[in-house]
Amino acid sequence: EIVMTQTPATLSLSPGERATISCRASESFSTNLAWYQQKPGQAPRLLIYGASTRANDIPARFSGSGSGTEVTLTISSLQSEDFAVYYCQQYHKWPLTFGGGTKVEIK
Amino acid sequence: QAQLEQSGAELRRPGASVKVSCKASGYTFDSYGISWVRQAPGQGFEWMGWISTYNGDTQFAQKFQDRVTLTRDTSTSTVHMELRSLTSDDTAVYYCARGGRSLPYDYWGQGILVTVSS
Repeated sequence: EIVMTQTPATLSLSPGERATISCRASESFSTNLAWYQQKPGQAPRLLIYGASTRANDIPARFSGSGSGTEVTLTISSLQSEDFAVYYCQQYHKWPLTFGGGTKVEIK
Repeated sequence: QAQLEQSGAELRRPGASVKVSCKASGYTFDSYGISWVRQAPGQGFEWMGWISTYNGDTQFAQKFQDRVTLTRDTSTSTVHMELRSLTSDDTAVYYCARGGRSLPYDYWGQGILVTVSS
């Protein structure tokens, strides 16, 4: 299976700062890579798919880049509502697999 | 607007089975497969399996292959997931999500808490 390694596990930042989260795969996922945001007690929300395409209604401060085996999620200027846990997922090959998550917390 | 509505919370004894459901609305049911993903308390996501709502084909994570059954009912636009031989390690929130291989999970159910306890 494709193992997804997400770093860092925790990111402590202040509102307005830039957040960068990385995801590395054990083999290529092409561009079949998604990023999700999850807040406590809620289902995940799709942010990015195809490694770099924003999902519907996702603000432009969220961007994704990369392909193959390495991708990055960037939040250009953190807003209060962005403090949450973020997960990458490859949907290229069965079994579909997730990264371990990155908690973006307020510094 | 697509929506996935899941059944309510469940409590089971170790060794028992649980069957939960995921009802789709707001889109053509058989155009998108449905996946099941679980999240143990305070943990990340674990992909369990997927069903084609078009023809019933399934894919499973190896660890769930012998314990999970996925079925679909096209007359009610509902997918069912049955998990057998429950242990305390199966205590988790179980989500259904629209999507699968080559398709991201663009809609998720609200999640079902399944608690396994004696």
